[in-house]
Amino acid sequence: GEEVAQTPKHLVRGEGQKAKLYCAPIKGHSYVFWYQQVLKNEFKFLISFQNENVFDETGMPKERFSAKCLPNSPCSLEIQATKLEDSAVYFCASSQSIQGSNYGYTFGSGTRLTVV
Amino acid sequence: AQRVTQPEKLLSVFKGAPVELKCNYSYSGSPELFWYVQYSRQRLQLLLRHISRESIKGFTADLNKGETSFHLKKPFAQEEDSAMYYCALSSGGSNYKLTFGKGTLLTVNP
Repeated sequence: GEEVAQTPKHLVRGEGQKAKLYCAPIKGHSYVFWYQQVLKNEFKFLISFQNENVFDETGMPKERFSAKCLPNSPCSLEIQATKLEDSAVYFCASSQSIQGSNYGYTFGSGTRLTVV
Repeated sequence: AQRVTQPEKLLSVFKGAPVELKCNYSYSGSPELFWYVQYSRQRLQLLLRHISRESIKGFTADLNKGETSFHLKKPFAQEEDSAMYYCALSSGGSNYKLTFGKGTLLTVNP
């Protein structure tokens, strides 16, 4: 499809529970990105994939966060043992494989995670 | 390290007035700059890329490397322009991450 689809739209977890978020990139887009937005502030980059391979994971809190993009499946972002500070909107974006300039991403509508 | 600064959190103008949303960046190489817009209850959308030098919805933005700025301008603001605007920078191609500013909330009053 022509939209980046993120599910679920809202997710509520108790502290210490696991949270799993999904993202289906636009068909034909090779690159997937995850961003975290806390309290409508800046977007914090988490991780990016080039097809199934991690391209850049410099933003990932490695202890509790993990992500995958497997063939023929939506990409996923998983948080083990959630903490209150993980409450945020998590955005996924995808972009085409085009050599040279960055043509910008297409964003999903986000998953709002609330940890209580 | 790359950084994007949007000095105004809030900007309010009247309909028909000119509007300028400021964006300054810090990057040692040759950056690619973008403006994204998020209307109320909608997803983030790409508005402009500096490399395409286009005008979208009446908005333009010029990359000024001397001043390291990429300000977004529109000569006559419309009420439907009210939204959150984010300036962003990329250091490379389509597989490179974007670094975002904190955003400016533009309100256009009737």
